[in-house]
Amino acid sequence: DAGITQSPRHKVTETGTPVTLRCHQTENHRYMYWYRQDPGHGLRLIHYSYGVKDTDKGEVSDGYSVSRSKTEDFLLTLESATSSQTSVYFCAISEREAINEQFFGPGTRLTVL
Amino acid sequence: SQQGEEDPQALSIQEGENATMNCSYKTSINNLQWYRQNSGRGLVHLILIRSNEREKHSGRLRVTLDTSKKSSSLLITASRAADTASYFCATVLMDSNYQLIWGAGTKLIIKP
Repeated sequence: DAGITQSPRHKVTETGTPVTLRCHQTENHRYMYWYRQDPGHGLRLIHYSYGVKDTDKGEVSDGYSVSRSKTEDFLLTLESATSSQTSVYFCAISEREAINEQFFGPGTRLTVL
Repeated sequence: SQQGEEDPQALSIQEGENATMNCSYKTSINNLQWYRQNSGRGLVHLILIRSNEREKHSGRLRVTLDTSKKSSSLLITASRAADTASYFCATVLMDSNYQLIWGAGTKLIIKP
């Protein structure tokens, strides 16, 4: 398995609180992605990074921000969590652009009450 | 919006039978990828087929791509209980190499 870890693996929080999810990789891959997975929607891209400090928005970026200060870490922050952000969040990495395969972390299940 | 849409949404077959899943998409692609997701786990890449390829094999997996029909199929031969999982297709659009666009998946159940 590719060396990708996500923390925490499970989190329950209350509406209005800030939440930060961490993705850590040991593969030295340039590209990193945050997705959310909801029933009936497959995966939807939130943000992605194409290098240290280089990030861009995906399909469903509203309410989320990201940061990447080191190659190995990609943080996803929910500034003020809402119930609609209850989801399973996956981090993925790829050596080159998405035209190549992506490797996924184990996921973080987030519940916003 | 979803680029790829899998069909059927769910499939239940007996162990040893073949399983076929289909994926349709809307716009021109660079490549199409299939992934598997076991319950409660992350996704695992299975196979990538480029827009200029028509068929690829990997072990018991066979993927076809018909760009004129904007569709792909994934065939799993001689299914096993361990193949029980959800299968997703994802496309890379011609004008956006950074992003995979995902379908909602096919849930495959292999009955022993």
